[in-house]
Amino acid sequence: DIQMTQSPSSVSASVGDRVTITCRASQGISSWLGWYQQKPGKAPKLLIYGASSLQSGVPSRFSGSGSGTDFTLTISSLLPEDFATYYCQQANSFPITFGGGTKVEIK
Amino acid sequence: EVQLVESGGGLVQPGGSLRLSCGASGFTFSDHHMDWVRQSPGKGLEWVGRIRNKANSYTTEYAASVKGRFTISRDDSKNSLYLQMNSLKIEDTAVYYCARRAYSGGYCDYWGQGTLVTVSS
Repeated sequence: DIQMTQSPSSVSASVGDRVTITCRASQGISSWLGWYQQKPGKAPKLLIYGASSLQSGVPSRFSGSGSGTDFTLTISSLLPEDFATYYCQQANSFPITFGGGTKVEIK
Repeated sequence: EVQLVESGGGLVQPGGSLRLSCGASGFTFSDHHMDWVRQSPGKGLEWVGRIRNKANSYTTEYAASVKGRFTISRDDSKNSLYLQMNSLKIEDTAVYYCARRAYSGGYCDYWGQGTLVTVSS
């Protein structure tokens, strides 16, 4: 199975900050990487697919990059609604696996 | 508007069975592969399994943790997805989400609100 490791596990930031979250795959997954946002008590929401493609309706302050084993999700300028937990997910092979999550908290 | 609505969750004893349903609307259900994903209380996301569409012979994939105990099925005539869970264990306690697989690859672009399954004696 491909292990997905996210860092940091949590980050404290202020509105307007730039935030970067890293996801590392235990083996190469090309660009088969997605990012999700989840708020408490809600279902996950797809933000990025194919490592860098923005899902329809997602604000452009979210961006993704990387290929192979190392990936990043960047929020260019945090808004209050962006405080949430973010998960990466590999879609290269079964079983589909998620990272452990990164909680973005208010500083 | 795409909607996915899960039902069937509840309290079940270890070793018991439960069947979850997911009703779909707002899109051509039969075209899409569908996934189940679960989340234990306070924990991260765990993929449970996938059922492909008719064009792909309704084939399925499962996580090792549920293989042989859980079965995913679908009824395209009813726009419904199912998860039959047998031999339930305490560690199966989670919110179970059904999710639509996007055309863009193995990602889920729409999710239901989830249904809670609690396995406890």
